Amino acid sequence: DIQMTQSPSSLSASVGDTVTITCRASQGISNYLAWFQQKPGKAPKCLIYGASSLESGVPSKFSGSGSGTDFTLTISSLQPEDFATYYCQQYNVYPLTFGGGTKVDIK
Amino acid sequence: QITLKESGPTLVKPTQTLTLTCAFSGFSLNTHGVGVGWIRQPPGKALEWLALIYWDDDKRYSPSLKSRLTITKDTSKNQVVLTMTNMDPVDTGTYYCAHRILWFDSWGQGTLVTVSS
Repeated sequence: DIQMTQSPSSLSASVGDTVTITCRASQGISNYLAWFQQKPGKAPKCLIYGASSLESGVPSKFSGSGSGTDFTLTISSLQPEDFATYYCQQYNVYPLTFGGGTKVDIK
Repeated sequence: QITLKESGPTLVKPTQTLTLTCAFSGFSLNTHGVGVGWIRQPPGKALEWLALIYWDDDKRYSPSLKSRLTITKDTSKNQVVLTMTNMDPVDTGTYYCAHRILWFDSWGQGTLVTVSS
């Protein structure tokens, strides 16, 4: 199985900050990576697919990059609605695997 | 607009079999490339992929749970059903179904399943 390791597992930030979350795959997955945002009590929402393509309707403050084994999600100008948990997921090979999540909360 | 909704029991006893239904609209499971998957999330923990079924009835399972899972589809009803046998308290969590092209682009609201005697 491909292990997806996210870092940090949690971070505190202020409104207006820019934050970066890292996701590392235990083996190469090309660009078959998606990022999800999950708010408490809600289903995950896809933000980015193909490592860097923005899902329809997702604001451009979210951006993704990377290929192979190392990926990043950057959120610029944090707003209150952005405080949530973020997950990466590889869909290159079975079994499909998710990272452990990064909780972004308010400093 | 794609929508999915999970339904099933909220409480099951250990050793029982769980049956969950995903009712969807806005797409067809007869369309080439389309799939529906199941993902679960224990309380306070990360997401875990369970199973997938494709338009051509190709089925994929998490290796760690494969012996306990069965996924089927009813395209006439726009439904996908997941069964999980021999339920245990560690299987407690929220179960989601999701539409997949390559990535999971649309998710249901989830259904909380508690395993307890």
